[in-house]
Amino acid sequence: GAGVSQSPRYKVAKRGQDVALRCDPISGHVSLFWYQQALGQGPEFLTYFQNEAQLDKSGLPSDRFFAERPEGSVSTLKIQRTQQEDSAVYLCASSAFRAPGGQPQHFGDGTRLSIL
Amino acid sequence: GENVEQHPSTLSVQEGDSAVIKCTYSDSASNYFPWYKQELGKGPQLIIDIRSNVGEKKDQRIAVTLNKTAKHFSLHITETQPEDSAVYFCAARGTYKYIFGTGTRLKVLA
Repeated sequence: GAGVSQSPRYKVAKRGQDVALRCDPISGHVSLFWYQQALGQGPEFLTYFQNEAQLDKSGLPSDRFFAERPEGSVSTLKIQRTQQEDSAVYLCASSAFRAPGGQPQHFGDGTRLSIL
Repeated sequence: GENVEQHPSTLSVQEGDSAVIKCTYSDSASNYFPWYKQELGKGPQLIIDIRSNVGEKKDQRIAVTLNKTAKHFSLHITETQPEDSAVYFCAARGTYKYIFGTGTRLKVLA
């Protein structure tokens, strides 16, 4: 597709359930990022992939959060044993070149996660 | 740690007037400064960016200025239109990750 695609757009889960969020980056983009956006706030960095390698996961809030990009294209963000504080919009972004580099990040429309 | 402050949090202007949003960053290693527009239910959309070796950049009604010494950068929108109403985020990047500001909700009154 022409842009970054995320699915599902909305996800409602009960506290304690596991969820999986999918990101399809722009074709050929090497770098992939996940951000968490709380209501009324700016996006906050979670993790960064260069191809299939996860180079930075320093922003993941806890060990319940796990991200993968096994073939260097599609990525999945998994949250285990969800808590209410996990409720947020999860944004995926991709960039054409390896960092550091001058290419901007292009964002998907996000997955809005609500934990009941 | 790395931080980006953004002001104001809300801004209302009359259609046709100018709007200015200001950001300050803390990491002196930051070298790239994008601005994003986010509409309700959508992801952030890049509207303009500036690199640390440039002081000013303009694209039609939108301009960005950068003062590296003061670690300030600003977004200027001229001749505002109702469709400019949205939330605007500034960001600063060092090696790869963006540090975002807290956003400015711009309302353009017709």
